[in-house]
Amino acid sequence: AQSVTQLDSQVPVFEEAPVELRCNYSSSVSVYLFWYVQYPNQGLQLLLKYLSGSTLVESINGFEAEFNKSQTSFHLRKPSVHISDTAEYFCAVSGEPNAGKSTFGDGTTLTVKP
Amino acid sequence: ETGVTQTPRHLVMGMTNKKSLKCEQHLGHNAMYWYKQSAKKPLELMFVYSLEERVENNSVPSRFSPECPNSSHLFLHLHTLQPEDSALYLCASSQVAGSSGNTIYFGEGSWLTVV
Repeated sequence: AQSVTQLDSQVPVFEEAPVELRCNYSSSVSVYLFWYVQYPNQGLQLLLKYLSGSTLVESINGFEAEFNKSQTSFHLRKPSVHISDTAEYFCAVSGEPNAGKSTFGDGTTLTVKP
Repeated sequence: ETGVTQTPRHLVMGMTNKKSLKCEQHLGHNAMYWYKQSAKKPLELMFVYSLEERVENNSVPSRFSPECPNSSHLFLHLHTLQPEDSALYLCASSQVAGSSGNTIYFGEGSWLTVV
């Protein structure tokens, strides 16, 4: 069985401030970890993912996440946020033998204020 | 533009109507999904089709009926819905047992309002 916990349902920050969105997971097998973003009135889209190799993964718009196996975490960070980063962010996990099944967290709403 | 296309984007229907949501994926994936997203609620997985066979149902009411005629198309047939079924319905696809770790690609969603 696998599960995902996003520790914050809402995160308000000011523009240009750093932000961290927290995600913890549990799984009895090797995992693949994902962050998805949902902008207002749109579907979810992949932001970044960890499959193997380097534990630090980056997105094209400045977000990064680090896979920490000992703490079973995959927190999402950005050193300086923009208004356009306002969105809902979902952490997800999948893994063998259930590679066809992903489990999503409840989502974190990031609101960037001017 | 995504590789998963959903139509219609918006639908308003009465409780006695019958309508269908359509989804098409252009990514060559072998699994397709329907998710329900309601305000203030977690994302709910409704149906999973892998290699065109339904593998998960998650106890969805029978007023929702999925159909997957081939690996690229997925439908959600709706009949005698209730107002609480109003939500954003998201279609998605992925490549199961591939090298992507089951990265899921979502459509833009169909906003359903039941009146």
